[in-house]
Amino acid sequence: DQQVKQNSPSLSVQEGRISILNCDYTNSMFDYFLWYKKYPAEGPTFLISISSIKDKNEDGRFTVFLNKSAKHLSLHIVPSQPGDSAVYFCAAINTGGFKTIFGAGTRLFVKA
Amino acid sequence: EADIYQTPRYLVIGTGKKITLECSQTMGHDKMYWYQQDPGMELHLIHYSYGVNSTEKGDLSSESTVSRIRTEHFPLTLESARPSHTSQYLCASSWQGNTEAFFGQGTRLTVV
Repeated sequence: DQQVKQNSPSLSVQEGRISILNCDYTNSMFDYFLWYKKYPAEGPTFLISISSIKDKNEDGRFTVFLNKSAKHLSLHIVPSQPGDSAVYFCAAINTGGFKTIFGAGTRLFVKA
Repeated sequence: EADIYQTPRYLVIGTGKKITLECSQTMGHDKMYWYQQDPGMELHLIHYSYGVNSTEKGDLSSESTVSRIRTEHFPLTLESARPSHTSQYLCASSWQGNTEAFFGQGTRLTVV
């Protein structure tokens, strides 16, 4: 039973354009959401997060949007750069618990 | 900069062998985790620890065992490796009360 779903295995975007990565979750108890970025042969690195009390969090070129009623979050990268090419994992946590639940990842290709 | 290290990075081993995957962090984090990931799939939590002498099993059933004798060290052991254990193993750590985890580079294990 996948509690965090990233339905797009891959996404291809032209350099300079916007990349939008989507994530859906099923557990309404999740109250904190994170995005991790993973390059080949490396471990994931934390990118940006959002608390369930917010609907938007911005950090430079990266913005995460949260729609709690739809149980949906998205990561926007503007403008996209070739160095952004990586696998992006959505993750969710119930901070009253312990475990972080990860999605299967979306592979982003940014073409120069 | 995260300081969490996994060794070996790559391991090819025969069926029935005993192996230990090493994970060490120099950040003084209380929480440590082991995740298992197959290509294109979610990261699945297989073990975690709140601190020294604390170990718990995660969501994904695993035949591996872990120990936490020192804060900085969280090794994972397979007593008898099988081809079904072929996967990538990712170690991570975090502060108590902090949701962001720092990951090691991973160990890619192949059992032949």
